[in-house]
Amino acid sequence: NAGVMQNPRHLVRRRGQEARLRCSPMKGHSHVYWYRQLPEEGLKFMVYLQKENIIDESGMPKERFSAEFPKEGPSILRIQQVVRGDSAAYFCASSPDYNEQYFGPGTRLTVT
Amino acid sequence: AQSVTQLDSQVPVFEEAPVELRCNYSSSVSVYLFWYVQYPNQGLQLLLKYLSGSTLVESINGFEAEFNKSQTSFHLRKPSVHISDTAEYFCAVSDRQGNTPLVFGKGTRLSVIA
Repeated sequence: NAGVMQNPRHLVRRRGQEARLRCSPMKGHSHVYWYRQLPEEGLKFMVYLQKENIIDESGMPKERFSAEFPKEGPSILRIQQVVRGDSAAYFCASSPDYNEQYFGPGTRLTVT
Repeated sequence: AQSVTQLDSQVPVFEEAPVELRCNYSSSVSVYLFWYVQYPNQGLQLLLKYLSGSTLVESINGFEAEFNKSQTSFHLRKPSVHISDTAEYFCAVSDRQGNTPLVFGKGTRLSVIA
């Protein structure tokens, strides 16, 4: 059983461009979470999704950030018009029907 | 709302010495507790968890943690560390209401010195 997959592993964007991060959950997992890790900080929750539904987006910035988990395909975290402060590691986690989350390797976003 | 405090940001320790990484949490509801380990440039791996039952939980690589409800703590211990234990360790909590987000501490960087 493959683990949580994230791609790309590293992403460099210029200020103002769009960043698109992908997450494929573990087989059989229907819950996906996105977290952001800033330097010297722990992980901060951003959004929790199930297939075709956003369950909790209380940690998501109100502007420029969006997330989806379509019926088919990976979950996508989209950041529009990136700024330097968006530089961070973004981790995706998935879980089955009980609360035990498995993390992907992360996408390290650098905004230049 | 929950919060997690990891009291030590960095812990250096000599190889084969014991170590304790401290974690305290705050919550108005019952919680699940987790320790995750992150090796450089990698994702987080679940080290151990407390869901219910025995308050002492163990991992396969010699770590253990004890849930102390009265002190709201979940400290991580290992009696003898190895160089390969060098990593960042994160304590996390979630409430018991189904699938909920994890709340993480800021992490403790364990450095094992030969």
